[in-house]
Amino acid sequence: EAGVAQSPRYKIIEKRQSVAFWCNPISGHATLYWYQQILGQGPKLLIQFQNNGVVDDSQLPKDRFSAERLKGVDSTLKIQPAKLEDSAVYLCASSPSWGDQETQYFGPGTRLLVL
Amino acid sequence: AQKITQTQPGMFVQEKEAVTLDCTYDTSDQSYGLFWYKQPSSGEMIFLIYQGSYDEQNATEGRYSLNFQKARKSANLVISASQLGDSAMYFCAMRLRQVFGPGTRLSVLP
Repeated sequence: EAGVAQSPRYKIIEKRQSVAFWCNPISGHATLYWYQQILGQGPKLLIQFQNNGVVDDSQLPKDRFSAERLKGVDSTLKIQPAKLEDSAVYLCASSPSWGDQETQYFGPGTRLLVL
Repeated sequence: AQKITQTQPGMFVQEKEAVTLDCTYDTSDQSYGLFWYKQPSSGEMIFLIYQGSYDEQNATEGRYSLNFQKARKSANLVISASQLGDSAMYFCAMRLRQVFGPGTRLSVLP
């Protein structure tokens, strides 16, 4: 079974530019998560999708971040315009459904550096 | 609001010995799940073990066990017979809401 795929793996941009990340979850997984992990910290949930609907986006900086999950499969996360403090690893995860016992499976992450 | 606390920024353990990584949590939810993840230097997040809030027995997965004390709101991870490959960051996390602790860096010494 293929794992969670993310691209690109690395991205370097200048502040005020825009950037997009792509995630393909494990086949059949209804729930998809985007996390931001700043160096030395634990992951912070940005947004959670159940199929193609948003379950939780309370920590997503909506003035600059946006995410979509068309057709309930792949997802993209966009930052526009980027700030220096957006430098982080962006992790995508998926789980079969949404429940407190569901294990999340993580992708390799995208490392973003904003100069 | 839910919160996870990991009070040990770094831990050292001798190879083949056991080590306990601390995790305390705060939640008003009655039903929740507690997870431990390992993150090697390569960056991927690897699931280790799960404990449900209503589980009466402590979870075990191979060399990993979870010391769950619900009344004290603690869910400590015990790694037995440490191996050099266990050197990594370890994160305690809670669901239903997706909350992670700050992590503990474990270094296994030969």
